[in-house]
Amino acid sequence: SFELTQPPSVSVSPGQTARITCSGDVLPNQYAYWYQQRPGRAPILLIYRDTERPSGIPERFSASTSGTTITLTISGVQADDEADYYCQSADSSGTAVFGTGTTVTVL
Amino acid sequence: QVQLVQSGAEVKKPGASVKLSCKASGYTFSDYYINWVRQTPGQGLEWMGWINPNRGSTKYAQHFQGRVTMTTDASIRTAYMELSRLTFDDTAVYFCTRDFSGSYNGFDVWGQGTTVSVSS
Repeated sequence: SFELTQPPSVSVSPGQTARITCSGDVLPNQYAYWYQQRPGRAPILLIYRDTERPSGIPERFSASTSGTTITLTISGVQADDEADYYCQSADSSGTAVFGTGTTVTVL
Repeated sequence: QVQLVQSGAEVKKPGASVKLSCKASGYTFSDYYINWVRQTPGQGLEWMGWINPNRGSTKYAQHFQGRVTMTTDASIRTAYMELSRLTFDDTAVYFCTRDFSGSYNGFDVWGQGTTVSVSS
């Protein structure tokens, strides 16, 4: 199987911009997804098909891709954004993998 | 509304098996694969596999091959995940989640999670 690597933690002040990267060799060829997980809760889908945002997800969540790296950007960070964030992808056989996860701390 | 409701917490001894359920409502059950994802204490998300309720076909993560069995009962819109030969390392929260076959829309709806504790 393949791996997706994220930084363990990102710290950001309220109102600033947080960027979370996810790296993996499969990413140029397969779609990527982002999930937010607050403590004790189920994950929530933030981004699908690399850059698309589901209805109900605020516009300050966006994503971009460049080669083997995808980036989740949270603009105008709020205290409520403090959570764990996971990227996810799947290979052509249907095997899915989650990234290692990033904890976002709002200072 | 669209929901996945999972069964309650389980406590099992090492070597035992556990069978969890995930009941779907608010959408056409056969249109969406059901995936199972687990999260061990303080750790990240680990994908376990999926089942296609329409055909009963499955795909399991290599890590769980030979120990996991996913099934569905379309008559009651419920998916099941059975994990056998439990060890202490299987203590985790287990989630079910859906994705629309071939749509690349991601895991858009999740169950609330079921806590499985393996203890002697």
